[in-house]
Amino acid sequence: NAGVTQTPKFRVLKTGQSMTLLCAQDMNHEYMYWYRQDPGMGLRLIHYSVGEGTTAKGEVPDGYNVSRLKKQNFLLGLESAAPSQTSVYFCASSYGGQGSQPQHFGDGTRLSIL
Amino acid sequence: AQTVTQSQPEMSVQEAETVTLSCTYDTSENNYYLFWYKQPPSRQMILVIRQEAYKQQNATENRFSVNFQKAAKSFSLKISDSQLGDTAMYFCAFLSGAGGTSYGKLTFGQGTILTVHP
Repeated sequence: NAGVTQTPKFRVLKTGQSMTLLCAQDMNHEYMYWYRQDPGMGLRLIHYSVGEGTTAKGEVPDGYNVSRLKKQNFLLGLESAAPSQTSVYFCASSYGGQGSQPQHFGDGTRLSIL
Repeated sequence: AQTVTQSQPEMSVQEAETVTLSCTYDTSENNYYLFWYKQPPSRQMILVIRQEAYKQQNATENRFSVNFQKAAKSFSLKISDSQLGDTAMYFCAFLSGAGGTSYGKLTFGQGTILTVHP
């Protein structure tokens, strides 16, 4: 069972470069999320989507864009990478937004911006 | 906005002993969910246990149990008979049960690193 798959697992970028992180889920979930994890701060929500074609801002959206063109995929883009975006990024998905429908997480992407 | 606080950056315990991780939260809502997630060195986020705020009974999952004190806004995790595989970062998280803009959005605490010693 694949669950939530994140691509790539590791990446090093130079300041100003752009890249896209891909999240794919095979559970037919409606909701998808992007979080970043920084030391001492837990996970913080960047953007989320409640269905195909929809996106919304989370707690820390600045510097990121997202797209949900297909239900199973949720893309996170960095248009001009900055050192402050060095972090571990997690994608998650769930059937809905209720607590009875827990979020399933990918294995994370470690991104370093030099 | 909700906040979740884990005041213990690091904890350690001997194998087979019991350890309790603390979590407090702040919310004005009455309907919500609380979670404990485990993140081992492999970086996976694994759901350990879930508590629904309207249920008075504390949730249990095998060796894991919670002490949910709604009035005090406290949600601690007790791990009994600790095992080496329990070594991980543990996150407490809050999920609003209301609709609107909070729907589906988890708020995490800072995490507690637990080390189980043989």
